[in-house]
Amino acid sequence: DAGVTQSPTHLIKTRGQQVTLRCSPKSGHDTVSWYQQALGQGPQFIFQYYEEEERQRGNFPDRFSGHQFPNYSSELNVNALLLGDSALYLCASSSTIGGLWNEQFFGPGTRLTVL
Amino acid sequence: KQEVTQIPAALSVPEGENLVLNCSFTDSAIYNLQWFRQDPGKGLTSLLLIQSSQREQTSGRLNASLDKSSGRSTLYIAASQPGDSATYLCAVRKSGGSNYKLTFGKGTLLTVNP
Repeated sequence: DAGVTQSPTHLIKTRGQQVTLRCSPKSGHDTVSWYQQALGQGPQFIFQYYEEEERQRGNFPDRFSGHQFPNYSSELNVNALLLGDSALYLCASSSTIGGLWNEQFFGPGTRLTVL
Repeated sequence: KQEVTQIPAALSVPEGENLVLNCSFTDSAIYNLQWFRQDPGKGLTSLLLIQSSQREQTSGRLNASLDKSSGRSTLYIAASQPGDSATYLCAVRKSGGSNYKLTFGKGTLLTVNP
């Protein structure tokens, strides 16, 4: 049973560029959340997708957008990259099925470096 | 606004010692609380999840307690081992129909010395 997978593992971009990160949820999960973790900090919630729609968003600018596909996988897009976007981007999945307490399982992350 | 604080920020103990990590949160209206482990540069591994109606959860050498009214949770690690060295994060999910995000503390960096 595969856990949450993310690609790519590492990415280097320059300021102003655009980036797309990908996530496949754990088998049986239908909800995907994205978090940004700066060095030495706890993860910060970006948004959550369910039924192909964004159902909650954190305090991030519109440069951050996402998408969820019918197979529940998800993409995070960041436009007009800034140096401050350098971070570990984490994807988490969970299930809406009752009784599973919505425990969230995280992937290994994508390390984004903006130069 | 929910804020989560973890004390201490770093902890170093000799192998075999029992230890307690602390987590406090400002808004007691939570749905659940989760403890995670993070190895350097890696993703998060879920350790324990406590629902708001529960007082504690146990898994192997780990025991997590929750006192919602005082806004506190503790993670107890028994007989620590060098392999337990990692950053431990707690996160809370606010109660309410449209609240799905986890709010994290900054973590406690644990070092267990052989």
